[in-house]
Amino acid sequence: QITLKESGPTLVKPTETLTLTCTVSGFSVSDNGVGVGWIRQPPGKALEWLSLLYWDDDSRYTSSVKNRPTTAKDTSKNQVVLTLTRVGREDSGTYYCVRQGDSRRRWFDTWGQGIQVTVAS
Amino acid sequence: SSALTQPPSVSVAPGQTARIPCEADNIGRTNVVWYRRKAGQAPVLVITFDGDRRSARFSGFTSGNTATLTISRVEAGDEADYFCQIYDISSDQYVFGTGTRVAVL
Repeated sequence: QITLKESGPTLVKPTETLTLTCTVSGFSVSDNGVGVGWIRQPPGKALEWLSLLYWDDDSRYTSSVKNRPTTAKDTSKNQVVLTLTRVGREDSGTYYCVRQGDSRRRWFDTWGQGIQVTVAS
Repeated sequence: SSALTQPPSVSVAPGQTARIPCEADNIGRTNVVWYRRKAGQAPVLVITFDGDRRSARFSGFTSGNTATLTISRVEAGDEADYFCQIYDISSDQYVFGTGTRVAVL
């Protein structure tokens, strides 16, 4: 069974760095063709794709959050980490970790439960 | 890229058909997939453009500026938020719809 689970702080202060970890099971983050990404949903707004990190370390990022998100994977722990620098209140929301099982299939076949993050002082 | 436009809510009686539109300029030229998120649960993929579907009661059609998810023979368990999603190949971005809450009367 494929699962993804997000972990990290639920409260972050403005200007700080948010670090979220996605721990996956049922597959490896280094499986050929696989991508692990992050999607968020601010309160009352649409889902917003943030990033996608592929098995070969190729990475893609949203154009709407300039130069703030980065992702990295730890193959030994089967984890992908999202780092979002200089957070502001607009970064509050539910963050989902997602899997793209095949880089040629441009959708997300499995989602984590999500983690609620609030940016406040 | 701006979010795709969906109506905030759709209400449907049990046994009837629910149709959920997802609108954007020339969306008919892209491939659209749909997700469902039930209260307190993770979103799940319900239908892809190449025919993979979670249930035979789900179908999708895209033409012009509108993609439509159709849920046939609606059941109480279909109550959820539904989201469309495309991949914009020109910008290498994934774009989601604003989401539609389906209420079963």
